[in-house]
Amino acid sequence: DTGVSQNPRHKITKRGQNVTFRCDPISEHNRLYWYRQTLGQGPEFLTYFQNEAQLEKSRLLSDRFSAERPKGSFSTLEIQRTEQGDSAMYLCASSPPDVGTSYGYTFGSGTRLTVV
Amino acid sequence: SQQGEEDPQALSIQEGENATMNCSYKTSINNLQWYRQNSGRGLVHLILIRSNEREKHSGRLRVTLDTSKKSSSLLITASRAADTASYFCATPPGGYNKLIFGAGTRLAVHP
Repeated sequence: DTGVSQNPRHKITKRGQNVTFRCDPISEHNRLYWYRQTLGQGPEFLTYFQNEAQLEKSRLLSDRFSAERPKGSFSTLEIQRTEQGDSAMYLCASSPPDVGTSYGYTFGSGTRLTVV
Repeated sequence: SQQGEEDPQALSIQEGENATMNCSYKTSINNLQWYRQNSGRGLVHLILIRSNEREKHSGRLRVTLDTSKKSSSLLITASRAADTASYFCATPPGGYNKLIFGAGTRLAVHP
C-alpha cells in the first residue's frame, strides 16, 4: 500500500454526460475526503466519510454530485449531467483516526476533469 | 469561503535565498498544517503545528504559529529549484473533521 490512488488521472467528457471517479485510500485510514480544486485556488472541501458513513457534505456538492464508500474501503464520486463549471481537479485524501494530533492528510494525485 | 489566506500570492527568489510565506486564519484551531503541491499533482503534507506550540522545525522548514494573531509563517531556508511549488496552509476549524485550505502561495525558485 503505497498511498492514495485515484483513477482516472484525466477525464474529458461532453457536457451533459455522467462521470465517475474512484479513490482507493490507504488501507489503515478510516477517514476519506473529497476536494475540488480549480486553477490558482486552494482545494475546496466537498465531502467526508468515516468508514462507510458520509458524515458531512459541502453546499458545493449539488444534487448532481453523489459520493459513496461501500464497505468503508474505496470511494466513488459521480457527477451527473456535467456542466462546464465542473471542470476542475478532484482530489481525494485519507487520514487515520487520530488526524489532527500527529498526522496530516495523504492526498492522491487527483483526477483532472475537463467538460467540453 | 476560505479559512486561511496566504501572503504573498506569488514569490520569486534565487536558489540559496530564504522564502517566507504567511498564513492568516479566522476561527480557533487545534492545529495548523502546511502542504506543498507541485504543478498538476496532489498535495503533500509538510508539517503540522499544534495550537500549544509556537515554533516547529523539519529539515529546512521552520513554522511559527501565533494564535493571538491567528497567523502562521512557513520559512524555507537555502531554497532549491526543486522547492518550486504552491504552498498551502490548512486548518481544521471546529475540530478534526475536515481541513480548510487557503488559496496558496506560488513559489518560484530560479537556479
